[in-house]
Amino acid sequence: GDSVTQMEGPVTLSEEAFLTINCTYTATGYPSLFWYVQYPGEGLQLLLKATKADDKGSNKGFEATYRKETTSFHLEKGSVQVSDSAVYFCALKTGTASKLTFGTGTRLQVTL
Amino acid sequence: GAGVSQSPSNKVTEKGKDVELRCDPISGHTALYWYRQRLGQGLEFLIYFQGNSAPDKSGLPSDRFSAERTGESVSTLTIQRTQQEDSAVYLCASSPGQGFSYEQYFGPGTRLTVT
Repeated sequence: GDSVTQMEGPVTLSEEAFLTINCTYTATGYPSLFWYVQYPGEGLQLLLKATKADDKGSNKGFEATYRKETTSFHLEKGSVQVSDSAVYFCALKTGTASKLTFGTGTRLQVTL
Repeated sequence: GAGVSQSPSNKVTEKGKDVELRCDPISGHTALYWYRQRLGQGLEFLIYFQGNSAPDKSGLPSDRFSAERTGESVSTLTIQRTQQEDSAVYLCASSPGQGFSYEQYFGPGTRLTVT
């Protein structure tokens, strides 16, 4: 079946540091890929998505590129802020299913 | 406009009791999903509704779990004879449709603790 593997946290960075959160996937079909974010006390919200190979999703300074050859969708940001502290979830969706398949989440803590 | 709402936000129950969790989707959203997140694990899909029908129930972990949806509106997830392993955050999401281009909007979740 489909699965998503993402790096374990927590990830602790100083403000303005570079962020990478690794995500790899296994899918039976041709998936769409997503990053969701959950800020403290808030619901899960879509951060960015990519629907085909080599697509780059971007939002709020975050980027991720759909790499079919390495089955990866790593999340990056050039300069993190304290306000980026949250839990980040990588997810996929295939054409034959309506559901999202999620990774376990990576907690990011950004300090001054 | 109003987002997805869920109630209660927290529920503590004794093992063996039944619980009902409620989800109010965004108005006009035809698709509704239930997920759960156990401590240290990712979100697990439970069930999907398109309108009133549930084409995919594959994630329901046992026959103690059931869900229904009224119209294209409120959904209730019922867990009978709760067990400690049912302790989790139960998340509801709704979407204007089910295809690739439709984003799922999540509610804040119900934290269920079975003692």
